[in-house]
Amino acid sequence: SQQGEEDPQALSIQEGENATMNCSYKTSINNLQWYRQNSGRGLVHLILIRSNEREKHSGRLRVTLDTSKKSSSLLITASRAADTASYFCAPNNQGGKLIFGQGTELSVKP
Amino acid sequence: GAVVSQHPSRVICKSGTSVKIECRSLDFQATTMFWYRQFPKKSLMLMATSNEGSKATYEQGVEKDKFLINHASLTLSTLTVTSAHPEDSSFYICSADAVAQETQYFGPGTRLLVL
Repeated sequence: SQQGEEDPQALSIQEGENATMNCSYKTSINNLQWYRQNSGRGLVHLILIRSNEREKHSGRLRVTLDTSKKSSSLLITASRAADTASYFCAPNNQGGKLIFGQGTELSVKP
Repeated sequence: GAVVSQHPSRVICKSGTSVKIECRSLDFQATTMFWYRQFPKKSLMLMATSNEGSKATYEQGVEKDKFLINHASLTLSTLTVTSAHPEDSSFYICSADAVAQETQYFGPGTRLLVL
């Protein structure tokens, strides 16, 4: 298992704008997952991208993966106030436990 | 996505008492579950890996006698905080490993306050 590092730590945007969050990791992976956490709640699984995939979409979410740079990005298009939350990436290289970084705290202002 | 529940959602107890938190996978079986704790404005810290039918694996620095984990069935893991103290107050979150989907699903968390 390894920890992903999210960047930026905090992001504040206006409703309707796009939000981009980045994740870097250190060793090879089988897949990488993105989660969202609303304040005081558990984590919600957003999307999984496998090591042989470069891009994946789910609704307003777009995830990219660059294994050569050991990085991933999460793009939320046309953001809404309800997207306000913390976002975590979880690189997974052998299944099992996930180690989380500090996350990106996204604030979408109406 | 799959559903994981936690009970109770919040608990207040007196110092010195023990508190049990349940984690259930409602629509899938999980041989492995995980327990995390989270302090305000901080990330999730993995405490232990709960293995069905065998002993839990604890992360470095986590006292196994303080945080007892039992995983007696493929859908239930319990975390017991023994002799709780105010410093054990935290947000405890579990997750269940859904092997078929290559991912973990998280419970809604349990907020523990020890007075």
